[in-house]
Amino acid sequence: QKEVEQNSGPLSVPEGAIASLNCTYSDRGSQSFFWYRQYSGKSPELIMFIYSNGDKEDGRFTAQLNKASQYVSLLIRDSQPSDSATYLCAVNPGDAGGTSYGKLTFGQGTILTVHP
Amino acid sequence: GAVVSQHPSWVICKSGTSVKIECRSLDFQATTMFWYRQFPKQSLMLMATSNEGSKATYEQGVEKDKFLINHASLTLSTLTVTSAHPEDSSFYICSARDLLARGEKLFFGSGTQLSVL
Repeated sequence: QKEVEQNSGPLSVPEGAIASLNCTYSDRGSQSFFWYRQYSGKSPELIMFIYSNGDKEDGRFTAQLNKASQYVSLLIRDSQPSDSATYLCAVNPGDAGGTSYGKLTFGQGTILTVHP
Repeated sequence: GAVVSQHPSWVICKSGTSVKIECRSLDFQATTMFWYRQFPKQSLMLMATSNEGSKATYEQGVEKDKFLINHASLTLSTLTVTSAHPEDSSFYICSARDLLARGEKLFFGSGTQLSVL
């Protein structure tokens, strides 16, 4: 069974600090990796996606992927109280454009709290 | 960016009734849509893949006769929860795939909170 594991938290960091969120996955053939932010009662909002090993930066967010270790992480720099939410790691078996693209397996989510 | 509209946002119904949820891609054609379910304090679980013009593909453990999916056009997929029971109360979310989009290719609807009394 394909699994995506996250530490459910809660993870509490002070405003301005770096928040580090981690995720491991079991399907070694996975090709696409996503981080979503979800507020209570709302739909997931895409933060980052990454396909290749290494780092990908977008503003205050950096996604890191290590396929050999089956590990993906999200760093949030200069954390703000508005970043407080549940962060979902999601894995897709195929790459963008493939027929399986979109069948996401989600982790259970990490609750992040950024306190002033 | 692309928008996926999901309706209704919330619904309360009596046990035994059927509820239809719509998922529309507003500015792109989505040959494939996905339906997820999320119970309180749990993550999203894929229920089924909806394919335009063909039968939906259901994930293991999801009853196809209870969760009817119709994808009759390139912009609309519907999920009908038949004979709903309290254990079906959940947050249902659709997503649509736009493979022609640059960058992000998956777009989520706003979700439907179903409460069955």
